[in-house]
Amino acid sequence: QVQVEESGGGVVQPGRSLRLSCAGSGFIFSSYSIHWVRQAPGKGLEWVAIISYDGRKIFYADAVKGRFTISRDNSRNSVYLEMTSLRREDTAIYYCARGPVIRAKYDVLDIWGQGTTVTVSS
Amino acid sequence: AIQMTQSPSSLSASVGDRVTLTCRASQGIGNDLGWYQQKPGKAPKLLIYSVSILQSGVPSRFSGSGSGTDFTLTVSSLQPEDSATYYCLQDYSYPYTFGQGTKLEIK
Repeated sequence: QVQVEESGGGVVQPGRSLRLSCAGSGFIFSSYSIHWVRQAPGKGLEWVAIISYDGRKIFYADAVKGRFTISRDNSRNSVYLEMTSLRREDTAIYYCARGPVIRAKYDVLDIWGQGTTVTVSS
Repeated sequence: AIQMTQSPSSLSASVGDRVTLTCRASQGIGNDLGWYQQKPGKAPKLLIYSVSILQSGVPSRFSGSGSGTDFTLTVSSLQPEDSATYYCLQDYSYPYTFGQGTKLEIK
């Protein structure tokens, strides 16, 4: 079935780095944009980043710009989120979500993973 | 960045009630607005996109309306399974932004 699945979360010290992965299956991965969204404990949803189907268009939230890097490897049906200079406020569940297909009229986050937890703590 | 403000922050209603949740954008976003439902411990789920288009499989008791800066999500006849937090998301311009959420509880 159509799904995305996150991995790579864990406990990391402030200032260190971590790489998250998002693997897609059941659809033509190379035709879809992918979003990352996070949720701090007890808080609301925060949009983090998006990468287009071909990796040429990338956008970030202001809170992570310059520290996080999104990339993709369509041969592995995977998107990555490289997180550097991590701060305590980056502690959250990180979700990846499927975005629009090529030339779609609307941007929707229609398929979500179950999330991977990142804890930034000394 | 565009700010999205939802009201109320929480709401309690009875089964069968009609409830309306509101989302306001800090600037015009055309029709580029979606609604997402999240239950405790679960991933969000897409309900509505482009203000009023119901995602496949979503019950028809959910509907959306609005344009420009003011938008609403209406549940025509509340069911026990509708207990959740609801978020609006603007996809008009980057960075995309969510509202802070409305927690809907069933009395």
